[in-house]
Formats: sequence, structure tokens, C-alpha cells
Amino acid sequence: GESVGLHLPTLSVQEGDNSIINCAYSNSASDYFIWYKQESGKGPQFIIDIRSNMDKRQGQRVTVLLNKTVKHLSLQIAATQPGDSAVYFCAEKYDSARQLTFGSGTQLTVLP
Amino acid sequence: IAGITQAPTSQILAAGRRMTLRCTQDMRHNAMYWYRQDLGLGLRLIHYSNTAGTTGKGEVPDGYSVSRANTDDFPLTLASAVPSQTSVYFCASSAGLVSHEQFFGPGTRLTVL
Repeated sequence: GESVGLHLPTLSVQEGDNSIINCAYSNSASDYFIWYKQESGKGPQFIIDIRSNMDKRQGQRVTVLLNKTVKHLSLQIAATQPGDSAVYFCAEKYDSARQLTFGSGTQLTVLP
Repeated sequence: IAGITQAPTSQILAAGRRMTLRCTQDMRHNAMYWYRQDLGLGLRLIHYSNTAGTTGKGEVPDGYSVSRANTDDFPLTLASAVPSQTSVYFCASSAGLVSHEQFFGPGTRLTVL
């Protein structure tokens, strides 16, 4: 069936380095891809989204890249900070759908 | 309050008991959602509501019911809890069904024994 998955379950980076979190998707009909951040003991928090007709979108310290040819999505975090330590989920959505399909998440740990 | 609140924060429940998880938002969002989060499985949609008075089934609706009597409240009821419903439950809202930015509550950790 269709699925959204992540390449790596855990990622450790040094404070100040850039982080790259990857996500593979299989549903070519999805129109939007979204990244959420979930800190320990809290609900997920929207970070950034990208429409399927785009290949790059930038936010504050974050960039999302979409490669539809290989059905790959990535979240880049610049100058990673301790506050970035969290689980990151990618999700996909049909333009007219009512639900998001979430991946299983990547745990990002920022090392001092 | 600002955002979404959920109650209780956590609950231990005997199998077979009835339980209602409460969710309230003050953002006047039209759409609301209930997800469950299990280790290694991400978030799965249980039920949703696109506006007051309407509800719909998500990916894993069995054993759960919802109601949407007004814009602010979206309670989730387990009529007869089973151990497989042990999970963390998140309520979320968005300005509309086509909004990708869903705002999540802090979650309710439910254990069914």
C-alpha cells in the first residue's frame, strides 16, 4: 500500500552543524508534503510544507527539498541547536483529502 | 487559554470501562482531528470533523466515537476500552480541511489494563 517512510530512525549531529533528515514516499498522487517536529512529551508542531509542484522551499533555518523523480523529501536544518532535538515526522496529503499520512519519525539528537 | 487543551493528561483504565477524552480549542478552527500515536507507527487518524455537526472516520476508527456539537469541543469516546487502545492520543485542529498546518494538543496518555 501507499506509505510514507523515513530512511533513518535516529540522527546525531554536533551543535552548529547542519542536519539533514530524509523521507521516502510512495504515493505519487500526494499534493503536499509537510514536516512536523515533536519534542518529548508534547504534541507535534508544524514546521514547513511544500507543494508537489515545487522542489524547494525555505523557512527560518529550515529548507525542504522535494525530488519527485525518486519520491524523496528532505528537511535541512541549518546551524543545529540543542532546541532542535526532537522527533521529526514527514507527512503527505492529497489536495482534497481530509487526513495526513505520517511517517514513523526520526529522532534528532544534538550533541554539545 | 490559547490553542488546544486536552484532558486528562493521563489515565489508567480497566478493560471494558467507558472513557471520554476531552479536547477544546479556542482558535475557532473549523476542522478537528483525533490521532493515536504508538511507538514506531507515527500518528494515525481515528476520526475527524470538518465543521460543527459533522464527523468522519479516519484510518483506525473501530472502537471509538466522536461528536462535534459546537466549534470548540471534540470529545473522543471509547465505549468499552480494550488493551490495544493503550496509546497516546492527540487532538488537533486546522483552519480548514485543506489547511496543512494542524495544531496539536499536548496529548493524553491512556493505559488500558
